[in-house]
Amino acid sequence: KQEVTQIPAALSVPEGENLVLNCSFTDSAIYNLQWFRQDPGKGLTSLLLIQSSQREQTSGRLNASLDKSSGRSTLYIAASQPGDSATYLCAVSLNLTTQGGSEKLVFGKGTKLTVNP
Amino acid sequence: GAGVSQSPSNKVTEKGKDVELRCDPISGHTALYWYRQSLGQGLEFLIYFQGNSAPDKSGLPSDRFSAERTGGSVSTLTIQRTQQEDSAVYLCASSFPPYMNTEAFFGQGTRLTVV
Repeated sequence: KQEVTQIPAALSVPEGENLVLNCSFTDSAIYNLQWFRQDPGKGLTSLLLIQSSQREQTSGRLNASLDKSSGRSTLYIAASQPGDSATYLCAVSLNLTTQGGSEKLVFGKGTKLTVNP
Repeated sequence: GAGVSQSPSNKVTEKGKDVELRCDPISGHTALYWYRQSLGQGLEFLIYFQGNSAPDKSGLPSDRFSAERTGGSVSTLTIQRTQQEDSAVYLCASSFPPYMNTEAFFGQGTRLTVV
């Protein structure tokens, strides 16, 4: 059974700092990995999608890496801003052929980030 | 539409009543998912639709929960005889089939409170 773990559960940093959020998964047979942002009381906003054949994706100040063989992904946020404060969720998309055809995303519990002005 | 739309955004219901939650996926997205997020918990998978069929219902917590999808578009999640433990945010997402390696897009959710 695929399990996704995110460390740390919460993180508080001063504005301007670079930071790294970690995600690990137990089964490397994934199709892709997706990072989401969730603001309080809101839905999820997709940030970056890394396909299983890729090693990283970048969007603005965000960079996500994927090491499928070791079951790890990191989300790097450069020059953090108070507006980056949110919960960041990592999710893996299961591989159809090896996971019994189950089509779903398996989520970690998230990292709650607070960027202090 | 431009994104995944869910209604209502908030629902307060009395214990024992039935509720229906609606999801309008992004036009053309054949895959649709329902998730539940309880306070302080992660996202819990409920059900997955491919077109109008549901090949994976493994996450539905009890037989009080059911879902359907019509015309390969709108989906309704129904909870019968609601209980207080059903209180949560119910999130819907859509995508092209995952095996095409595309993103899942989420709606804003329906916050259900059972009193």
